[in-house]
Amino acid sequence: KQEVTQIPAALSVPEGENLVLNCSFTDSAIYNLQWFRQDPGKGLTSLLLIQSSQREQTSGRLNASLDKSSGRSTLYIAASQPGDSATYLCAVRRKGGATNKLIFGTGTLLAVQP
Amino acid sequence: GAGVSQSPSNKVTEKGKDVELRCDPISGHTALYWYRQSLGQGLEFLIYFQGNSAPDKSGLPSDRFSAERTGGSVSTLTIQRTQQEDSAVYLCASSWASGIRETQYFGPGTRLLVL
Repeated sequence: KQEVTQIPAALSVPEGENLVLNCSFTDSAIYNLQWFRQDPGKGLTSLLLIQSSQREQTSGRLNASLDKSSGRSTLYIAASQPGDSATYLCAVRRKGGATNKLIFGTGTLLAVQP
Repeated sequence: GAGVSQSPSNKVTEKGKDVELRCDPISGHTALYWYRQSLGQGLEFLIYFQGNSAPDKSGLPSDRFSAERTGGSVSTLTIQRTQQEDSAVYLCASSWASGIRETQYFGPGTRLLVL
């Protein structure tokens, strides 16, 4: 059974700091891994999607890496801003089965202090 | 519309009542998913539709939960005889393809509180 965990559960940093969020998964048989952000009272917004054959993806101040063999992904946020405050979720899409369902981690609640 | 919409945005109901939650996917998206996000449980898959059929219902927690999709578009998630443990945010997502490069687009969710 695929299990996805995220560390830390919560993080508070001052504005301008670089930070790293961690995601680990138990089964390396995945199609891809995706990072989302969730703002209070809103749905999920996709940030980055890394295919299993890729090592990293970048979008602006965000960089996500994937090490499938060790079952780990990191989301690096450079020069954090108060607007980055949100819950960050990683999710994997596993191979096999009749569905493309995502298996989510429990999330990291990020607070960036001005 | 531009994105996935869900209604109602909030629902408060009494234990034992039935509720219906609605999802309007992005036009043209053939795949539709329901997920549930509850405290302490994280975000869990409930059911997946491809067109109007549901090849994967494995996440539905009990037979009180059912879902249907009509016309390859709107979907309704029904919870019968609601219990307090059903309180959660119910999220709907849709995608245009089921290939390995599929990206799911999420709605804002319905916040259900069962008293």
